[in-house]
Parts: sequence; C-alpha cells; structure tokens
Amino acid sequence: EAGVAQSPRYKIIEKRQSVAFWCNPISGHATLYWYQQILGQGPKLLIQFQNNGVVDDSQLPKDRFSAERLKGVDSTLKIQPAKLEDSAVYLCASSTPGTKGYTEAFFGQGTRLTVV
Amino acid sequence: AQTVTQSQPEMSVQEAETVTLSCTYDTSESDYYLFWYKQPPSRQMILVIRQEAYKQQNATENRFSVNFQKAAKSFSLKISDSQLGDAAMYFCAYRSDAGYALNFGKGTSLLVTP
Repeated sequence: EAGVAQSPRYKIIEKRQSVAFWCNPISGHATLYWYQQILGQGPKLLIQFQNNGVVDDSQLPKDRFSAERLKGVDSTLKIQPAKLEDSAVYLCASSTPGTKGYTEAFFGQGTRLTVV
Repeated sequence: AQTVTQSQPEMSVQEAETVTLSCTYDTSESDYYLFWYKQPPSRQMILVIRQEAYKQQNATENRFSVNFQKAAKSFSLKISDSQLGDAAMYFCAYRSDAGYALNFGKGTSLLVTP
C-alpha cells in the first residue's frame, strides 16, 4: 500500500513570498490533516478535512494560510505571504473514519520550509 | 483544550537495556485515546503503540509497552531490549473520542548507545 506522499521535501523562500505544499493521502482515506511542526516542538494541527469539507481549522492563521482539498483526494496548503516564524516542517496525514478515536493516522515525510 | 506534557527533553539508554519515557496529559473527558509516535530523522511519524482509555489492561507491542494510569493521567512508554534503531524523537499524543486530530506533546529525544 502506498503511503502518504508530500512534495516538495524542502523549500527555501524569502519572507513575503508565497509557497504551496502538496499532499496525496492513502487511497480511500477520507480524513486528511495538515500539521505544522516547529523545531523542538510537537506537531500542531492546522486543518482537518473530512472528504471535501473542513472539520477543524481553528488553529489555521487564515490571514496568510489557506488549504483546499479538491474532490476529496489531494490537498494543497498555501502560505501567502510567508513570515520568518513560518519556518517549520509541514506534515500531512490521513486516516479512515473507522472507529473514530482509535483509527491510526498515517503521516507523510513532510516538507521542511525555511523562510529567510 | 487537552494538554500533553513530556517532561524529559532527552533520554539516553544503552543497547539491550530498558528505558521509560514519561507522558502526562490533562483532560476532563472520560473516553479518549493515547498514542506514542516515533519520528526518526526522515521526519515520518510512525505509530508505536496506542491505548484506549476505557481499557484497564496496558497495551503491549513486542518490545514496547505502556503504563497507563488513568486516575493520575499518566501514560509512559517502556522500551525493552533497546536497539540502535530505536533512536528517534518520541511523541506522546492524545485524541478525544469526539474528534480525530491528535494533540501532541513536545517530544523526547532518545539516544541509544552501543
């Protein structure tokens, strides 16, 4: 079974530029998450999708971050304009609805973003 | 919001020895799920073990086991017969029964020495 695919693996941009990350979840997984992991910290949820719909985006900085999941499959996360504090690893994960709490979330390898 | 605390930023263990990583959490819920994830330098989070709060029996997966103390809100991970490949960041995570998203602690870096 193919895992969660993310691209690019690394990205370096200047502050105030725009950047986009792409995620392809495991086939059949209805739930997709984007997490932000700042160096030295645990991942923090940015947004959660169930199929096409947003379940939770309470921690997404909506003035600069946006995300979409077209057709309930692939997802993109965009930052515009980027700030220095956006430097982090952006992790995508997916899961089946299953037995809600117990279901395992599968993670991609993340995109390491450096804003200079 | 539930908070997850890992009080050990770094731990070290010799190969073949046993190490215990600590995790405490704060919640007012009675039903929830707890997880330990491993993150090697490749950055991909890998599930190590999980526990349902309503189960009193501690979960075990080969060399990995947990000590779940619900009243104390404690969820420690024991790694027996440590191997060099166990070296990684370990994250404790909480998931509410009402939601899917994981709430992570800050992690513990585990070093395994030969």
